[in-house]
Amino acid sequence: GDSVTQMEGPVTLSEEAFLTINCTYTATGYPSLFWYVQYPGEGLQLLLKATKADDKGSNKGFEATYRKETTSFHLEKGSVQVSDSAVYFCALSAPSSASKIIFGSGTRLSIRP
Amino acid sequence: DGGITQSPKYLFRKEGQNVTLSCEQNLNHDAMYWYRQDPGQGLRLIYYSQIVNDFQKGDIAEGYSVSREKKESFPLTVTSAQKNPTAFYLCASSPIGGGIETQYFGPGTRLLVL
Repeated sequence: GDSVTQMEGPVTLSEEAFLTINCTYTATGYPSLFWYVQYPGEGLQLLLKATKADDKGSNKGFEATYRKETTSFHLEKGSVQVSDSAVYFCALSAPSSASKIIFGSGTRLSIRP
Repeated sequence: DGGITQSPKYLFRKEGQNVTLSCEQNLNHDAMYWYRQDPGQGLRLIYYSQIVNDFQKGDIAEGYSVSREKKESFPLTVTSAQKNPTAFYLCASSPIGGGIETQYFGPGTRLLVL
């Protein structure tokens, strides 16, 4: 079945460091791919999305490129801030189950000042 | 302001007790969802409803029940049949035809077993 695998956390970085959180997926057809962020004590918010191969989603300095050849959607940011500390979820919506989002296990990111 | 309200923020359940988690939205969304979040795991879908008086089981519906009598409300009952209820529960809503990524999440309820 459809699934999402993302790197285990926690990830701890210093402020202004480069961030990569890996995400790979398994799905039939051409899924839409998402990154969600969950700040402490809050619900999930959509961070960015890509709906077809080679699309790049971007928001708040974060980017992710839909790579069909490697079935990946890695999240990157060039210079992280303390305010980026949160849990990040990679997710997909497959054409076979359009009413469902399948989430990865989440990666906790902590940024040191 | 439009949004989703979940209450309570923390809920304690005794063994063998049913408890109900509230979810209310004033976004005029047709679809509503309940997810369970466990440490180190992604969100798993419990139930969803695309229209009033109709709902479908998600991936982990056993031990849970829902109702959708009003468009703005989608309460979740955790029954005594749910043997491992301790988790963080997230409610979400979305407009029909708006795309799955338009799901708007509430702040969550943390359920703990005494």
